[in-house]
Amino acid sequence: AQSVTQLDSHVSVSEGTPVLLRCNYSSSYSPSLFWYVQHPNKGLQLLLKYTSAATLVKGINGFEAEFKKSETSFHLTKPSAHMSDAAEYFCVVSDHGGSQGNLIFGKGTKLSVKP
Amino acid sequence: KAGVTQTPRYLIKTRGQQVTLSCSPISGHRSVSWYQQTPGQGLQFLFEYFSETQRNKGNFPGRFSGRQFSNSRSEMNVSTLELGDSALYLCASSHGLAAKSSYEQYFGPGTRLTVT
Repeated sequence: AQSVTQLDSHVSVSEGTPVLLRCNYSSSYSPSLFWYVQHPNKGLQLLLKYTSAATLVKGINGFEAEFKKSETSFHLTKPSAHMSDAAEYFCVVSDHGGSQGNLIFGKGTKLSVKP
Repeated sequence: KAGVTQTPRYLIKTRGQQVTLSCSPISGHRSVSWYQQTPGQGLQFLFEYFSETQRNKGNFPGRFSGRQFSNSRSEMNVSTLELGDSALYLCASSHGLAAKSSYEQYFGPGTRLTVT
């Protein structure tokens, strides 16, 4: 069965400093991996996705993630945090029709950005 | 292009009642998936509809059901509501069958259901 683990439930950074949100996955297949962001009282917005092309994936708003098969990781990074980045971030693996449904979500990481 | 819309945005119901939530996908999208989001369980997949047929289902009781119309709009119904059904219900649409592809899903703002 596929699963995804977000290693930190809460990350706090200062504005202008780097952001690192960690995600490990478990998959029997060649997975598709996504990062979504959810601002308070809003739906989810896709930040970026990995689908077996380039291992370094660039997304919106300056975010990027690197797929590392040997480490089964897909960590999300941003060089310099902005106040507007404060939100909850979800790492997601596509189950491709397995028993758990089509998207398997991590528990989420809440990112706080201090001025 | 308009995004995914969900109605209503907020609902308050009492235990034992039933509720119907509506989702209109992005124009041209044929797949609609439903998710339940709660603080305790996080985001959980309910079901996916494609071309008016349920193609995939999560681990929820039969009180949760859905349907999709020929214009791809979808409804979700929950019967005999329980307190634990209080949640944010999210709808997502994609071009193709999300379960079998890497199509990204576009989410609506959700319907906040409170059961008292």
